[in-house]
Amino acid sequence: GENVEQHPSTLSVQEGDSAVIKCTYSDSASNYFPWYKQELGKRPQLIIDIRSNVGEKKDQRIAVTLNKTAKHFSLHITETQPEDSAVYFCAPFAPGTYKYIFGTGTRLKVLA
Amino acid sequence: GAVVSQHPSWVICKSGTSVKIECRSLDFQATTMFWYRQFPKQSLMLMATSNEGSKATYEQGVEKDKFLINHASLTLSTLTVTSAHPEDSSFYICSATGGNRYEQYFGPGTRLTVT
Repeated sequence: GENVEQHPSTLSVQEGDSAVIKCTYSDSASNYFPWYKQELGKRPQLIIDIRSNVGEKKDQRIAVTLNKTAKHFSLHITETQPEDSAVYFCAPFAPGTYKYIFGTGTRLKVLA
Repeated sequence: GAVVSQHPSWVICKSGTSVKIECRSLDFQATTMFWYRQFPKQSLMLMATSNEGSKATYEQGVEKDKFLINHASLTLSTLTVTSAHPEDSSFYICSATGGNRYEQYFGPGTRLTVT
């Protein structure tokens, strides 16, 4: 089945620094690549997504880059703030199986 | 728009009893709904996918007789945990997709504790 891995599993950065989280997937048919932020006890919140015909997308301090050939996509957060501290998940979507497979998660801690 | 509700938000039940969780799309028609389970400090694990009017598709290792899923309308799916045991204690989250085929909208989750 689909295998989705995230690296790193934990990440601590100083406030104002950048953070990068990488998601590697195995299903080459995947065509939609979202990133979610989840705070403790709450639902995942979509923060940015990208489709397979686009290489990069940016929304203020957040960006996502996609490398379909290598089957990975990355979340970039610039000028991190303490409120960015949360767990981040990728969940590529494969139209053939019509499901999203969540990555292993990355716990981001932004130190003030 | 694109709001999904879940009820109840938390429930405590005794071992051996059954619990029903409802997932509703409030302002759109949900052609597909997904049920996930999340244990503490772990990722979301897909349990099953349901389409309105048809049987749910369960992921490998998920017992369909234990986790009964019904998707009777385009706005409602239910998950019933039958004969619950303490190991079923978890955070259950539903999501739905509708007009925008790719984006999924999550319910707020249900925390189940089986004593």
